[in-house]
Amino acid sequence: GQNIDQPTEMTATEGAIVQINCTYQTSGFNGLFWYQQHAGEAPTFLSYNVLDGLEEKGRFSSFLSRSKGYSYLLLKELQMKDSASYLCAVRGANYGQNFVFGPGTRLSVLP
Amino acid sequence: DTGVSQDPRHKITKRGQNVTFRCDPISEHNRLYWYRQTLGQGPEFLTYFQNEAQLEKSRLLSDRFSAERPKGSFSTLEIQRTEQGDSAMYLCASSDPTGGEGEQYFGPGTRLTVT
Repeated sequence: GQNIDQPTEMTATEGAIVQINCTYQTSGFNGLFWYQQHAGEAPTFLSYNVLDGLEEKGRFSSFLSRSKGYSYLLLKELQMKDSASYLCAVRGANYGQNFVFGPGTRLSVLP
Repeated sequence: DTGVSQDPRHKITKRGQNVTFRCDPISEHNRLYWYRQTLGQGPEFLTYFQNEAQLEKSRLLSDRFSAERPKGSFSTLEIQRTEQGDSAMYLCASSDPTGGEGEQYFGPGTRLTVT
């Protein structure tokens, strides 16, 4: 079976740093993706990890530990526009096959 | 605009009716996915195509659901005898396995309401 867990909701203040955690248990692993989804819109790709460690892209960083089945998304210098849901998704062992998405974490950035 | 497009954007139908949605992927992407998303949840995988071949279907997909991609370009998703539980956002995504990390690009979705 496959299971992905994320906190349901988080709140942070503009200008702060927030870490959104994701734990997964999947039958195979070929990469972990983070997507951002604003209310009523489609998900958009943020970051990708396949090896252990930290990947940095501007204000966003993502970390992966395959042995622990754990990832986090780090958002720095939060802006109001970062208020959105953040989805963790795991790609299965066979490249190109289905992605399993977590339930998403709804982040609210307050002034 | 060369992104993924979906049509219609909204569909309201009565229970028992059939509906069909269309997805046009990014032209050079040979992989196409359909997902269903309900409020407060992540997208739920429905089915996946590589070119015109349907390679995988979710076990959750009942026989009322069928998808096609006849020429390896656009795809259609049909729901027969709709039920109120089918009300959701239906998302289409495409990816290019040879480009980037194989990330998926999503269309704007079709919101289905079954009354």
